[in-house]
Amino acid sequence: SQQGEEDPQALSIQEGENATMNCSYKTSINNLQWYRQNSGRGLVHLILIRSNEREKHSGRLRVTLDTSKKSSSLLITASRAADTASYFCATRGAQKLVFGQGTRLTINP
Amino acid sequence: DGGITQSPKYLFRKEGQNVTLSCEQNLNHDAMYWYRQDPGQGLRLIYYSQIVNDFQKGDIAEGYSVSREKKESFPLTVTSAQKNPTAFYLCASSSGTDGYTFGSGTRLTVV
Repeated sequence: SQQGEEDPQALSIQEGENATMNCSYKTSINNLQWYRQNSGRGLVHLILIRSNEREKHSGRLRVTLDTSKKSSSLLITASRAADTASYFCATRGAQKLVFGQGTRLTINP
Repeated sequence: DGGITQSPKYLFRKEGQNVTLSCEQNLNHDAMYWYRQDPGQGLRLIYYSQIVNDFQKGDIAEGYSVSREKKESFPLTVTSAQKNPTAFYLCASSSGTDGYTFGSGTRLTVV
């Protein structure tokens, strides 16, 4: 079963703009993670936010977590062509990660 | 360099044939996972293993089998009982509750 639901399913923006992706989930979590997948490749771990954290930064990435609303957002600032990829949120329960359907991000030059 | 290796990159299966996908990691991770990804979709969990000689079914285990005889290895067999095996298969490993490390995937096609 897929717990995370990303929104939007697809996003197309101009290079240099900020990109925001949202993730909603249904049950209590240990942590929430974001991954990037370039076409035809494996997933790359971007950032992890624990259930007792509200915001986390890593370079141009900013993740927020609202456990009361069971939602998270990923902000990519000053987007670049190389950011074009699919982005997945994944929620960690007791034993494993459950992935959402992903947001396909396209950065136009 | 530590990492996780999947082979082959591309695999073709005839109807009624069993095929085995390889997954090897040298990260000393206890847990390993197999996911299936269909075009434009998210990842669905097939099997996972938290420790050597033990594994559990995921959400879509029917038609698949695994073994975990060594910490480093977690091969996945796609059996003839899997009626729609064409997909992208991803192996991952993890230590504790932190992020997963993924392999580069195997694309399986039925011919």
